[in-house]
Amino acid sequence: AQSVTQLGSHVSVSEGALVLLRCNYSSSVPPYLFWYVQYPNQGLQLLLKYTSAATLVKGINGFEAEFKKSETSFHLTKPSAHMSDAAEYFCAVGFGNEKLTFGTGTRLTIIP
Amino acid sequence: DVKVTQSSRYLVKRTGEKVFLECVQDMDHENMFWYRQDPGLGLRLIYFSYDVKMKEKGDIPEGYSVSREKKERFSLILESASTNQTSMYLCASTPLTPIQETQYFGPGTRLLVL
Repeated sequence: AQSVTQLGSHVSVSEGALVLLRCNYSSSVPPYLFWYVQYPNQGLQLLLKYTSAATLVKGINGFEAEFKKSETSFHLTKPSAHMSDAAEYFCAVGFGNEKLTFGTGTRLTIIP
Repeated sequence: DVKVTQSSRYLVKRTGEKVFLECVQDMDHENMFWYRQDPGLGLRLIYFSYDVKMKEKGDIPEGYSVSREKKERFSLILESASTNQTSMYLCASTPLTPIQETQYFGPGTRLLVL
């Protein structure tokens, strides 16, 4: 069965610092991988997705993620955190059917 | 832009009540989904539907049922609400092509069962 693990339920970074949110998946076949963001009192919206094209994926708001097959990882990064990045971030994995499996989420706090 | 709307942002119900959560999407998407979101557990799939009158159980269907009579509308039903169904409920939709497509989410319904 597919699964996804997000390391760290809460991450705090200073404004201007690097953001790194970790996501690892388990799979025996190539996955489709997604990062979604949820701002307070809103639904989820797509940040970026990997669908077997380029391994470095650029998303909205300056975020990017790199698919590393050898490490079964899809970590999310942003070079310089902004106060508006405070939100909850979800990694999700799928394998060619309609269902996604979501991680448990990482709440990102930005310290002024 | 795709728009997914949910009938209520907040609901308060009593134990044993029948609860209807409605979701409507305006982009002619075939697939629709109901998730519940709980702290520390992320999103868990309750039910999904890939066509009118078609439904499939997700990971946690117990205590829930669904209805899809029209393509644009997908309803989640709690036949007899219980306190452990207090949660945030999220609806999503996606086009027919499978997993690599983006899921579009509604704003969520926060349900409190007393």
